[in-house]
Amino acid sequence: AQTVTQSQPEMSVQEAETVTLSCTYDTSENNYYLFWYKQPPSRQMILVIRQEAYKQQNATENRFSVNFQKAAKSFSLKISDSQLGDTAMYFCATYNNNDMRFGAGTRLTVKP
Amino acid sequence: GAGVSQSPSNKVTEKGKDVELRCDPISGHTALYWYRQSLGQGLEFLIYFQGNSAPDKSGLPSDRFSAERTGGSVSTLTIQRTQQEDSAVYLCASSLMSPQLRTGELFFGEGSRLTVL
Repeated sequence: AQTVTQSQPEMSVQEAETVTLSCTYDTSENNYYLFWYKQPPSRQMILVIRQEAYKQQNATENRFSVNFQKAAKSFSLKISDSQLGDTAMYFCATYNNNDMRFGAGTRLTVKP
Repeated sequence: GAGVSQSPSNKVTEKGKDVELRCDPISGHTALYWYRQSLGQGLEFLIYFQGNSAPDKSGLPSDRFSAERTGGSVSTLTIQRTQQEDSAVYLCASSLMSPQLRTGELFFGEGSRLTVL
């Protein structure tokens, strides 16, 4: 079974600054996907970024980027130039063969 | 609409009553997941449907929980004899699974908030 650990229950960052959210995982699979999802107060889960485990290059989506360390089973999310709209719960997830597992989440608050 | 639709949005019930939560996935999506999110907690996997295959029920917390998916589309999650610890947001998600698109991206509904008094 896959497990995902997010060790930071809450974090805060000043607007326009950079913040990094941590995630570690455990899986016996060699081919899998990793995701970061965002859940704003509206409860709607939104995909932020996706990484294929077989790709060494770190994924980037505008202000969002990941630091994927496969050997260490680490998948952190960096948010640059933080905006007030980034305030949300952030969930790390692993996916393999129809099995999607989520971490406990990190509540991020962006302060003006 | 084009997204995943869940109903009811909010449900308040008395302990011991049965409740049904409904999920309409995105048309054409063959995979459907149910998750439970307790206050301030992560997403707890409950059950997974994929096409006509037998569902993966490994996450259901007790035999009071059951789910079905009719015609490969709409799904209903049923909780019998509800308990206060069942209070949570129940999220449904669907995914398009095909040999060409095994990316695993899930599309979520807005959830059904269940409160058991």
